[in-house]
Amino acid sequence: DIQMTQSPSTLSASVGDRVTITCRASQSISSWLAWYQQKPGKAPKVLIYEASTLESGVPLRFSGSGSGTEFTLTISSLQPDDFATYYCQQYNSYSGYTFGQGTKLEIK
Amino acid sequence: EVQLVESGGGLVQPGGSLRLSCAASGFTFSSHWMSWVRQAPGKGLEWVANINQVGSETYYVDSVKGRFSISRDNAKGSLYLQLNSLRGEDTAIYYCATIVPVKCFEYWGLGTLVTVSS
Repeated sequence: DIQMTQSPSTLSASVGDRVTITCRASQSISSWLAWYQQKPGKAPKVLIYEASTLESGVPLRFSGSGSGTEFTLTISSLQPDDFATYYCQQYNSYSGYTFGQGTKLEIK
Repeated sequence: EVQLVESGGGLVQPGGSLRLSCAASGFTFSSHWMSWVRQAPGKGLEWVANINQVGSETYYVDSVKGRFSISRDNAKGSLYLQLNSLRGEDTAIYYCATIVPVKCFEYWGLGTLVTVSS
């Protein structure tokens, strides 16, 4: 089974900051990685898929990079609406998907 | 407009069973792999199961193998998850989601809460 290690688990930042969240896979997943944003009481929303492809309608301040086992999500200039929990997820095979543990982005 | 509406959650005793349903509309249900994902209270997301377009391929996370069963009825546009031998650690919101090539989860339902407690 592929394990996903996401860090940090909590991130305190201010509006306007640039932040980066990392995700490491226990084996190569090529570019089969997605990033989701989740707000309390809501279903997750996809931000990035195939490691670096921005979902339609998602602001350009979000970007993803990486391949193989190392991936990053970057928010270039935090906005008030961005404070939420973020998850990475590998989908290398239909036989098993895995999410990272999540990163809670808090207002400093 | 794509809609996924889960139902069937509730309070059940340990060892009990539940059947969750997900009613799909607004897209060609029979063309998509489908999935169940769960989230325990205050915890992260956990993939539970996948099923292919015709129901001939199913996959599960290890913790539910032999206890949960995913199925679908394309004529009704519905996805199901049979939960047997339930344990406290199965307490969670259960979401159904569509799987699309390249993107993975595209649409999510609002979820249904399963609580396992005596």
